[in-house]
Amino acid sequence: AQTVTQSQPEMSVQEAETVTLSCTYDTSESDYYLFWYKQPPSRQMILVIRQEAYKQQNATENRFSVNFQKAAKSFSLKISDSQLGDAAMYFCAYRSSNTGNQFYFGTGTSLTVIP
Amino acid sequence: DAGVIQSPRHEVTEMGQEVTLRCKPISGHNSLFWYRQTMMRGLELLIYFNNNVPIDDSGMPEDRFSAKMPNASFSTLKIQPSEPRDSAVYFCASSLPLTGGHEQYFGPGTRLTVT
Repeated sequence: AQTVTQSQPEMSVQEAETVTLSCTYDTSESDYYLFWYKQPPSRQMILVIRQEAYKQQNATENRFSVNFQKAAKSFSLKISDSQLGDAAMYFCAYRSSNTGNQFYFGTGTSLTVIP
Repeated sequence: DAGVIQSPRHEVTEMGQEVTLRCKPISGHNSLFWYRQTMMRGLELLIYFNNNVPIDDSGMPEDRFSAKMPNASFSTLKIQPSEPRDSAVYFCASSLPLTGGHEQYFGPGTRLTVT
């Protein structure tokens, strides 16, 4: 089965600064999808950004962007101009295009934003 | 769209009692997932359905857990008998078909406490 690794259990960033959360995954597939989800204290899981493996261009959504390195199997999330509302748990997820519809989630990174 | 609906939002029960968690996926989504989240184990996939058919239930902890999806708009996760170690937040998520690499949409979760 595919595995997703988030090696940073906790991160902190000063408000208005930039922070990068790391994610690596293990797969033998060439076609798949990657996601970052945010879980604030409310517990609601919210999609932040998605990336198709066949696209070389990195996805961006406003202040959120990814650095997708397919050969290295790396998928980091960069948050620019960090805001207090960005404080949350962030999960990286992998979705196979071959083995059914299953998603694989990392263990999460808890982000603290310091005023 | 109302999003994924879960009920109840909170459940407190005594050990040995039966617990039923309910989920209504987003209309038109043909995949449904049940997850359990704890501090110790993170986010765990319990079972997922495609077109109302269980595809992978290898994450179901033991025979005390069962899940059904009698139709496209309703699913239940039952624990009988419940134990204190079942205390967790249980999430239901739904998704459009795999083609297109669609993301999962999560419900607000049910916080279960077994005393």
